[in-house]
Amino acid sequence: EAQVTQNPRYLITVTGKKLTVTCSQNMNHEYMSWYRQDPGLGLRQIYYSMNVEVTDKGDVPEGYKVSRKEKRNFPLILESPSPNQTSLYFCASTKDRGSYNEQFFGPGTRLTVL
Amino acid sequence: AQKITQTQPGMFVQEKEAVTLDCTYDTSDPSYGLFWYKQPSSGEMIFLIYQGSYDQQNATEGRYSLNFQKARKSANLVISASQLGDSAMYFCAMREPSNSGYALNFGKGTSLLVTP
Repeated sequence: EAQVTQNPRYLITVTGKKLTVTCSQNMNHEYMSWYRQDPGLGLRQIYYSMNVEVTDKGDVPEGYKVSRKEKRNFPLILESPSPNQTSLYFCASTKDRGSYNEQFFGPGTRLTVL
Repeated sequence: AQKITQTQPGMFVQEKEAVTLDCTYDTSDPSYGLFWYKQPSSGEMIFLIYQGSYDQQNATEGRYSLNFQKARKSANLVISASQLGDSAMYFCAMREPSNSGYALNFGKGTSLLVTP
């Protein structure tokens, strides 16, 4: 089954404790991205990757890191989480650069930083 | 500047009736794609329908259709014969070529409640 998986689905942590949210897709997609969703703000892009070893900042990259060592994986790293990073996070993948391509979303990771 | 505007924070519709969710967009690029996603209370993002900027006809997918008015930069979602399971948040999004790598810009969403 074609899908994007994220782990963990739920995470409660404390300020400053490094964490990684994993994202994996099995569709051989080139393009992957991370979004955060906050009430009243919709989804905002954090980082994206157009292919292996190619990553770039989205609209709200502060406090986050990513890597793309393999095509299928695109982890999101919070080196020192803060309460303002409490949010619902989505990983998404798209086949390639064509604007007609649907973005497939993972199930979401609900993160709470205390 | 906001690229996608959804002016209806919340909508009510009675079961079996049709409902239109509004979406306007802003771009100067001639090539772009417009998407609608549904987000039920469980949280996942479900793709509904796509319209390309060069498509001559309005997109349709089952009970969903997209009323694309290019000159007005509007891409309204029409849901026919609403069902209780259609109650959810609905997001309009646009994908355009840009220096930021084909980002998907989302509106703030419309919450739809279908009543019996």
